[in-house]
Amino acid sequence: GESVGLHLPTLSVQEGDNSIINCAYSNSASDYFIWYKQESGKGPQFIIDIRSNMDKRQGQRVTVLLNKTVKHLSLQIAATQPGDSAVYFCAENIMSGAQKLVFGQGTRLTINP
Amino acid sequence: GAGVSQTPSNKVTEKGKYVELRCDPISGHTALYWYRQSLGQGPEFLIYFQGTGAADDSGLPNDRFFAVRPEGSVSTLKIQRTERGDSAVYLCASSSRQGDEAFFGQGTRLTVV
Repeated sequence: GESVGLHLPTLSVQEGDNSIINCAYSNSASDYFIWYKQESGKGPQFIIDIRSNMDKRQGQRVTVLLNKTVKHLSLQIAATQPGDSAVYFCAENIMSGAQKLVFGQGTRLTINP
Repeated sequence: GAGVSQTPSNKVTEKGKYVELRCDPISGHTALYWYRQSLGQGPEFLIYFQGTGAADDSGLPNDRFFAVRPEGSVSTLKIQRTERGDSAVYLCASSSRQGDEAFFGQGTRLTVV
């Protein structure tokens, strides 16, 4: 079946270091992927997305890498800040033309001072 | 409002009761989505509206769950004969067009006792 999962449930990093959060997906036909950040008591917040015709996309302090050969997605956060503490989800869009998303379980990122 | 608004923020109900959860999407957004998030998990798709019609309701778990969007704006998720397993955060999201970025509300935390 279709599923998206994460390799690590928790990740702790030092403030100022770079963070890398990984994700594996199983539907090779998926062509659109999104990373979300979710803080306690809030809904998921869009961070960055990537389409399958790309292997890398950069935003402000964030980079998403897509490896279609091994069906792997990663989110890199540069110079991690205390405000980056949250749960991060990757999501796979399984419906063209809509946001029917399959989410992974999430990785909790904690920042050590 | 500036974002997706969901009411109530929290709802506690007794097993067997009927509940309604409301979602006010961003003004002008034609696509509306309901997701359910259990503790420690990623959100799971329930139903998707394009305008007034349910374009995809394949995620509704059973016939106790029903959602409407009669005027193409506000949506109500209705749960009959609630069970303890229905306890979760119910998230609503909207997007301006099919396939565009979806913006999530803060969710309604439903607890069935």
